[in-house]
Amino acid sequence: AQKVTQAQTEISVVEKEDVTLDCVYETRDTTYYLFWYKQPPSGELVFLIRRNSFDEQNEISGRYSWNFQKSTSSFNFTITASQVVDSAVYFCALSEVSSNDYKLSFGAGTTVTVRA
Amino acid sequence: GAVVSQHPSRVICKSGTSVKIECRSLDFQATTMFWYRQFPKQSLMLMATSNEGSKATYEQGVEKDKFLINHASLTLSTLTVTSAHPEDSSFYICSAREKKNYGYTFGSGTRLTVV
Repeated sequence: AQKVTQAQTEISVVEKEDVTLDCVYETRDTTYYLFWYKQPPSGELVFLIRRNSFDEQNEISGRYSWNFQKSTSSFNFTITASQVVDSAVYFCALSEVSSNDYKLSFGAGTTVTVRA
Repeated sequence: GAVVSQHPSRVICKSGTSVKIECRSLDFQATTMFWYRQFPKQSLMLMATSNEGSKATYEQGVEKDKFLINHASLTLSTLTVTSAHPEDSSFYICSAREKKNYGYTFGSGTRLTVV
């Protein structure tokens, strides 16, 4: 069963617009971690944010912010005032602590294109 | 911060040959190493998990005799694609986890093309 669902396949915006990426996860664990990664065309994965299941405080870090809601199993990510360099594929991922190896399960990814 | 060096970044090989991909953790001990495969426009699919000094655990559908994983030390893990075929052409990426730190450090990936 898919543990992480990113329903948006592609999003295209004009520079300076805000972009919100949706992520819905599924787990029976009470302790888990959620991540957002960025993958630019070069291929490397860039870590953006991590949140554990006990911390629902939403924060802003520069142009990034996230909205973690356990009640709806969602972990959405927003880029404010998007820039062309934000163009990339963004992955949401889940790590369940009950999995002794702490495997990361990735969503399908959302391709973000920011046009100048 | 933590760095994982992955080599080679690109490799082209002939069908039937074997290719070895190396991942080294440069400034930390990688107690667990994960190997992923990513086909174009798709997500990262976990192939196997290896703990230092133990045999790798493969995900369902991944042939362990074809994708040999060795994690002999806390700083080095290798993935060998044996008897490669064109359908093995993909982007392979490793990820290391340090026991004391709940985070994952990814290598820069290896683009394998089998001709």
